[in-house]
Amino acid sequence: EPEVTQTPSHQVTQMGQEVILRCVPISNHLYFYWYRQILGQKVEFLVSFYNNEISEKSEIFDDQFSVERPDGSNFTLKIRSTKLEDSAMYFCASPPPGGANVLTFGAGSRLTVL
Amino acid sequence: DQQVKQNSPSLSVQEGRISILNCDYTNSMFDYFLWYKKYPAEGPTFLISISSIKDKNEDGRFTVFLNKSAKHLSLHIVPSQPGDSAVYFCAASETYGGATNKLIFGTGTLLAVQP
Repeated sequence: EPEVTQTPSHQVTQMGQEVILRCVPISNHLYFYWYRQILGQKVEFLVSFYNNEISEKSEIFDDQFSVERPDGSNFTLKIRSTKLEDSAMYFCASPPPGGANVLTFGAGSRLTVL
Repeated sequence: DQQVKQNSPSLSVQEGRISILNCDYTNSMFDYFLWYKKYPAEGPTFLISISSIKDKNEDGRFTVFLNKSAKHLSLHIVPSQPGDSAVYFCAASETYGGATNKLIFGTGTLLAVQP
């Protein structure tokens, strides 16, 4: 079954530092998504990326966040200057082949900002 | 603005009995609904879905019911098994242009199936 792979599984950083979270989505797909889940809360949409451009972003996705597809396969989420409230699980997702509405999620990257 | 709501944060059932998880939504433009299961430290795993043109979809022990007039859907698990213990998220999306669109998630219901 196609997989979405995320690294690192856990990152601890100091407030104000830059963080890059990486994702290898399902191959040959053009749609990618980032979601996050603050501990005990719901899974929240951050941004969708289609054909190498941001197609939609939420209010959470402010100027501190950016997404890139640097080499045609990896998909990164960068937080420029982390805040305490950025501590969360970050999930990358993409649709499996032929599945327009069903997203496959990675295992997530836990970000802890101290 | 909570477009998708799961009003029960937790549910406990006995093994072998039916588990019923509920979800309400407010956006009448949603036309596709999904249930995801999530274990701690893992990503959400797709369980079952339903299109707004249907009112029921069944897959083994899992059945999803959709009541569009009430903007309500439910997930039935029967018989419940201890391995079903997890957080269950309801999600909804609005399809436009044939493209894949973002999922809006509810707050989740923690299901505990007691042996």
